[in-house]
Amino acid sequence: GENVEQHPSTLSVQEGDSAVIKCTYSDSASNYFPWYKQELGKRPQLIIDIRSNVGEKKDQRIAVTLNKTAKHFSLHITETQPEDSAVYFCAAGGQNFVFGPGTRLSVLP
Amino acid sequence: EAQVTQNPRYLITVTGKKLTVTCSQNMNHEYMSWYRQDPGLGLRQIYYSMNVEVTDKGDVPEGYKVSRKEKRNFPLILESPSPNQTSLYFCASSFVSDNEQFFGPGTRLTVL
Repeated sequence: GENVEQHPSTLSVQEGDSAVIKCTYSDSASNYFPWYKQELGKRPQLIIDIRSNVGEKKDQRIAVTLNKTAKHFSLHITETQPEDSAVYFCAAGGQNFVFGPGTRLSVLP
Repeated sequence: EAQVTQNPRYLITVTGKKLTVTCSQNMNHEYMSWYRQDPGLGLRQIYYSMNVEVTDKGDVPEGYKVSRKEKRNFPLILESPSPNQTSLYFCASSFVSDNEQFFGPGTRLTVL
């Protein structure tokens, strides 16, 4: 079955700096890779996703890259703001989904 | 308002007492799924449904049952709950499987 690893588990950055979170997956059949943000006490919400036929996708300050050969994908957040502080989860799948264990991002003012 | 609803939001029960957590969506989504969230483990998929009458096991299906008799509803059934099923449960839905999943507000279950 699919296995998703995510690093780092915690990340602290200064406001305005960039943050990068990396995930690896094991099942080459996975074709959809979403990223979810979960603020404390709230439900996860999608922030960006990428499909296996695309190498990179960008939405304002957020970008995701996918390397199918190496089976890894990364989330990039530029110009971080305090409201970016949350737990971020990557996931891989197509029908069933496996999530990474999460990265707690703290943006320090 | 487009949404996914879950009930109850909080539940404390005892070992062995059957319970059902309901999930309903009003977005005409085909795909629905149940997850449990435990500290340090992220979200783990319990069961998912590609459409009405089509359900399949996720990563952690043991001790759970689901049904999908109508498109909008996807209840999670614990026939004989045990303390290791104490967790935060999320229901989610999407138009199709490889699309944004919308999560419900979560159900915090404690099994004593």
